[in-house]
Amino acid sequence: GQQVMQIPQYQHVQEGEDFTTYCNSSTTLSNIQWYKQRPGGHPVFLIQLVKSGEVKKQKRLTFQFGEAKKNSSLHITATQTTDVGTYFCAVTTSGTYKYIFGTGTRLKVLA
Amino acid sequence: EPEVTQTPSHQVTQMGQEVILRCVPISNHLYFYWYRQILGQKVEFLVSFYNNEISEKSEIFDDQFSVERPDGSNFTLKIRSTKLEDSAMYFCATASGPGANVLTFGAGSRLTVL
Repeated sequence: GQQVMQIPQYQHVQEGEDFTTYCNSSTTLSNIQWYKQRPGGHPVFLIQLVKSGEVKKQKRLTFQFGEAKKNSSLHITATQTTDVGTYFCAVTTSGTYKYIFGTGTRLKVLA
Repeated sequence: EPEVTQTPSHQVTQMGQEVILRCVPISNHLYFYWYRQILGQKVEFLVSFYNNEISEKSEIFDDQFSVERPDGSNFTLKIRSTKLEDSAMYFCATASGPGANVLTFGAGSRLTVL
């Protein structure tokens, strides 16, 4: 089956530091979505990327889709304690409507 | 904001028992999904459902699992004979369309099999 790996698995940062998580697929993707799951919560949609090389920004969050549409990154500038949670990418490929979630990156922000 | 509602929030059951988890989708959503998450692990796709039939299913979704939308509102996941390894959080997610549509997740149903 399709493999979607995220690195790192865990990241602890001091508040104010930047954070990046990377999502890598073994196959070419149709689109990619990013979700955030707070501790004890459910995944909540953040953004969707469709085009090769696409970059989108949401305040302190920057999302990028790779040129080959096989990888993506999420970068948070100047982390805050409210950024704590697990960030998942979720991918679809051509001919399917299911979303396969990546392995996730758990972010801890130390005040 | 429209919500996906799941019941029960937590169910404890004995191994071998049948369990039914329920989901009320957002009213104009047509695509329904079940995912599960074993504690601390990734969100795993189980099944997608559209137009009253299964669209896709994973290897996890074996003969012990079934889904249906019996009354046009509730979307249910049934586990016929639970095993210890079925203990997990089960999330229902719905979308207004296929593929490039946002998944809205419910709060989840935690299943504990003893």
